Amino acid sequence: GESVGLHLPTLSVQEGDNSIINCAYSNSASDYFIWYKQESGKGPQFIIDIRSNMDKRQGQRVTVLLNKTVKHLSLQIAATQPGDSAVYFCAETYSGYSTLTFGKGTMLLVSP
Amino acid sequence: NAGVMQNPRHLVRRRGQEARLRCSPMKGHSHVYWYRQLPEEGLKFMVYLQKENIIDESGMPKERFSAEFPKEGPSILRIQQVVRGDSAAYFCASSPPAWDGHYNEQFFGPGTRLTVL
Repeated sequence: GESVGLHLPTLSVQEGDNSIINCAYSNSASDYFIWYKQESGKGPQFIIDIRSNMDKRQGQRVTVLLNKTVKHLSLQIAATQPGDSAVYFCAETYSGYSTLTFGKGTMLLVSP
Repeated sequence: NAGVMQNPRHLVRRRGQEARLRCSPMKGHSHVYWYRQLPEEGLKFMVYLQKENIIDESGMPKERFSAEFPKEGPSILRIQQVVRGDSAAYFCASSPPAWDGHYNEQFFGPGTRLTVL
């Protein structure tokens, strides 16, 4: 069940470090996954996506890894910068279904 | 191309009043989604609409909440007789029509923060 009122998991890193944010997804039928970044007071912003026929996808400074066996998704951010400080959400969906199911989120704090 | 627009950005209502939240999708997008976000939680799907049609409202509370996306004008999320538990951020997203069963990226608006006193 859901827990209400718990603080978000927080990852604190130093500027320049690599960050890894993890997500466990729930639906074994999901075949499309997205990472979103949400800064304070703003809407979610698309970072990177991956389809279930891949296990790794790279973008600019970000990499998403997908392990379908254990239903696990991770987001790796290289050379983390203070501007990367935000809450990061994974989201899942499946072909033929348009709505997203979001995970609970991880707060990333980057100190200079 | 302007992004998804939502207004108002902040809305304060007293218990029992009505709240109307508006969402204008990106140009060329005919699909609109509404999500609700409680503090320190992820977004929860509420309703999915296309022009003049509700496609999926499985996430909408059965009472007091309604949504529409008319042929002309923005999508409206309406909450009647608001209660304190309705206080949350409400986000709208839009996407172009999907094709071949593939998923199209949803672009999110800045949200409306509803506070019920």
